[in-house]
Amino acid sequence: DIQMTQSPSSLSASLGDRVTITCRASQDIGNYLSWFQQKPGKSPRLMIYGATNLEDGVPSRFSGSRSGSDYSLTISSLESEDTAIYYCLQYDKYPPYTFGAGTKLELK
Amino acid sequence: EVQLVESGGGLVQPGRSLKLSCLASGFTFSNYGMNWIRQAPGKGLEWVASISSSSSYIYYADTVKGRFTISRDNAKNTLYLQMTSLRSEDTALYYCASTYLDYWGQGVMVTVSS
Repeated sequence: DIQMTQSPSSLSASLGDRVTITCRASQDIGNYLSWFQQKPGKSPRLMIYGATNLEDGVPSRFSGSRSGSDYSLTISSLESEDTAIYYCLQYDKYPPYTFGAGTKLELK
Repeated sequence: EVQLVESGGGLVQPGRSLKLSCLASGFTFSNYGMNWIRQAPGKGLEWVASISSSSSYIYYADTVKGRFTISRDNAKNTLYLQMTSLRSEDTALYYCASTYLDYWGQGVMVTVSS
């Protein structure tokens, strides 16, 4: 099975900061990588699919990128509403779909 | 508007069974594969099972294989998850979600405890 190693597990940043979260795939998954945002008490929300494609309605300050087996979610300028837990997901070789362990993003 | 509404959760004793339902609306349900995803309290997301649009392809996580059965009734726009031989580690919020996880329900809680 493919393992997704997500880092950091938690992150504290200030308003306006540039924030980057990374997932590393244990095998080649092409661009079959999504990012989800989950706020307390809410269902996950798809933010990025195909590694770099912004889901409809997602603010343009969010972006996704790939460098080899490393996939990144970047928030260009952190806003208070962005505090949440973020998860990556690989959907190339399934079963199983594999989620990363999550990154808790908080305001400093 | 796409809506996925789960039901059927609750408190159940270890070893017993429970069947979850997910009623879909706002899209042509019969054209799309569906998934069950779960989240244990305070933990991350875990994919549980997937079913193709016509039920031809079905996949399970190793943790539930042989105990859970995913199914669907396209005439009723409903996805199901039959859970048997439940264990304490199955305690979680269970979400139904669309093919590429772009739509999620609100989740239904399953608690396995004596």
